[in-house]
Amino acid sequence: GQQVMQIPQYQHVQEGEDFTTYCNSSTTLSNIQWYKQRPGGHPVFLIQLVKSGEVKKQKRLTFQFGEAKKNSSLHITATQTTDVGTYFCAGRGGSEKLVFGKGMKLTVNP
Amino acid sequence: NAGVMQNPRHLVRRRGQEARLRCSPVKGHSHVYWYRQLPEEGLKFMVYLQKENIIDESGMPKERFSAEFPKEGPSILRIQQVVRGDSAAYFCASSPHGTGAYEQYFGPGTRLTVT
Repeated sequence: GQQVMQIPQYQHVQEGEDFTTYCNSSTTLSNIQWYKQRPGGHPVFLIQLVKSGEVKKQKRLTFQFGEAKKNSSLHITATQTTDVGTYFCAGRGGSEKLVFGKGMKLTVNP
Repeated sequence: NAGVMQNPRHLVRRRGQEARLRCSPVKGHSHVYWYRQLPEEGLKFMVYLQKENIIDESGMPKERFSAEFPKEGPSILRIQQVVRGDSAAYFCASSPHGTGAYEQYFGPGTRLTVT
């Protein structure tokens, strides 16, 4: 079945650093969504990408959908302590079901 | 606008007891999903329901677990004869339509502890 893999699983950065995390699918996706879960909280929708090569920005977060629609990336500029949490990507393939990755846990050293 | 509501927020059960988790979706949403999250792990899909129908239960254990979403009232995830391994956070999410083309709105979760 469809699988969505996120790398790395853990990321520890110094406040102010930039970093990128990746999401890879075993199948071509119709769309991909990103969610953020703060420690002790619940997942909250961030964004959805639909078109091949699409790039969307939310303040310091940049989301990209790969040309082949099998991968996506999230780039965070000038990381802040408020960025701490687990970021999940979720992709929809041929089954119409949204499949979540295992998440990338971000910690920030102030 | 009320979001997804789940209750109880915390539930403690002894081994062998039953756990009932409730989820009220966003008003107007008729599609509900249940996920389980173990500490430090990702979201594991359990079941997808529409009103009065189970659409996909491929992620739910065959025994002891059941889910329903009646015509009236909240969706219920029921775990019979709980074991320690059932301890986890259970999240419910809802969406206006059933395909993965729409974002899912998550509830605050129920933290189940089995002693």
